[in-house]
Amino acid sequence: DAMVIQNPRYQVTQFGKPVTLSCSQTLNHNVMYWYQQKSSQAPKLLFHYYDKDFNNEADTPDNFQSRRPNTSFCFLDIRSPGLGDAAMYLCATSRSAQLAGGSDTQYFGPGTRLTVL
Amino acid sequence: RKEVEQDPGPFNVPEGATVAFNCTYSNSASQSFFWYRQDCRKEPKLLMSVYSSGNEDGRFTAQLNRASQYISLLIRDSKLSDSATYLCVVNRVDSSYKLIFGSGTRLLVRP
Repeated sequence: DAMVIQNPRYQVTQFGKPVTLSCSQTLNHNVMYWYQQKSSQAPKLLFHYYDKDFNNEADTPDNFQSRRPNTSFCFLDIRSPGLGDAAMYLCATSRSAQLAGGSDTQYFGPGTRLTVL
Repeated sequence: RKEVEQDPGPFNVPEGATVAFNCTYSNSASQSFFWYRQDCRKEPKLLMSVYSSGNEDGRFTAQLNRASQYISLLIRDSKLSDSATYLCVVNRVDSSYKLIFGSGTRLLVRP
């Protein structure tokens, strides 16, 4: 009963060749996130959507773009992958409900491991 | 100073041992706290939320100390299957929808 699905699980691309990673969810959550995680590091938030509203992190490079055509799907586009973009890319979702000013739990997909040759 | 700091470990303990991890966070206004577990090359999975009064789930106990701004996780009777990285997670005060992840503490449970 996968709730957050990511495809592909492994992606190999060449330096500079655009790549698109996809995420879908069956939880009907309003918020979807994309994280980048490198080995032995914390997941780093790239951007998130609250419904259709796109929110970019200030330090996310322009090389990374995202699309959310509907509630269930979200895509991460890397326009010109560099060697430094090799990482695990994690999609996550959460409900929109605020809990006394706090945050709701985020549910992660299995990730896409990107290799750049 | 990092917003969420953890000892990276690894903590290498025998089966059956009790092990404790601590985590400190920098923003006193943070309201939500979690422990996530991440297995090697897998995604983070929620282990437990952390409540002000402390909470327990089987062999796992989480506590929050707001005055000192630290969160703890205690694992009793460690199992081999507990070997993983444990991520301390705190909400970002500027946005209810965003979380800040620590780099994780690695636990190795040996037979």
